[in-house]
Amino acid sequence: DVKVTQSSRYLVKRTGEKVFLECVQDMDHENMFWYRQDPGLGLRLIYFSYDVKMKEKGDIPEGYSVSREKKERFSLILESASTNQTSMYLCASSFSPPLAGGNTGELFFGEGSRLTVL
Amino acid sequence: AQKVTQAQTEISVVEKEDVTLDCVYETRDTTYYLFWYKQPPSGELVFLIRRNSFDEQNEISGRYSWNFQKSTSSFNFTITASQVVDSAVYFCALSEIWSGGSYIPTFGRGTSLIVHP
Repeated sequence: DVKVTQSSRYLVKRTGEKVFLECVQDMDHENMFWYRQDPGLGLRLIYFSYDVKMKEKGDIPEGYSVSREKKERFSLILESASTNQTSMYLCASSFSPPLAGGNTGELFFGEGSRLTVL
Repeated sequence: AQKVTQAQTEISVVEKEDVTLDCVYETRDTTYYLFWYKQPPSGELVFLIRRNSFDEQNEISGRYSWNFQKSTSSFNFTITASQVVDSAVYFCALSEIWSGGSYIPTFGRGTSLIVHP
């Protein structure tokens, strides 16, 4: 069964702390993504990676960084957590094109990490 | 401007009613992909369907059907004879090609569907 695993379901951190959110996928996907989900705003892309050590900014990268040292692992880092980063963080992965045959290009999501910054 | 607009924030229906979730998108690409995902109360998003920009055929899967119309840039989702288990947040997404050749999805804000017994 395909799987995207996020290291923590719930975290509580204090303002200014450094926060690491880990994500591992077992499907040999090239692409990995970090989204944050907030009520009324849907899913907003923070960063994505299309290969090891490659990363691209999404729509809201400010205050975040990422690391992809191995193909299966994509980490989201909050260098100095702030209260406005309280949110649900979703990791996802997918194959790259060509989207043919059994590859629909769909994203496979983890269960999410709910971060509260006090 | 949003690339994917789901104008319905919340829809409430009674079981067995039919319900349509609207999705309007905006893109300048000729090749793109449209998706629907379901997020049940448990939280994990689940893929429902993908459509590419060259395939305007409607699709039916059990009680679910999708209507893709390029002329109106819409990709609507209909649930026939809704059930309580259909209660979830549904997201429409548009994938366009980015640098590196990958297709990167942009999501709408979601529509929360509540089906009452």
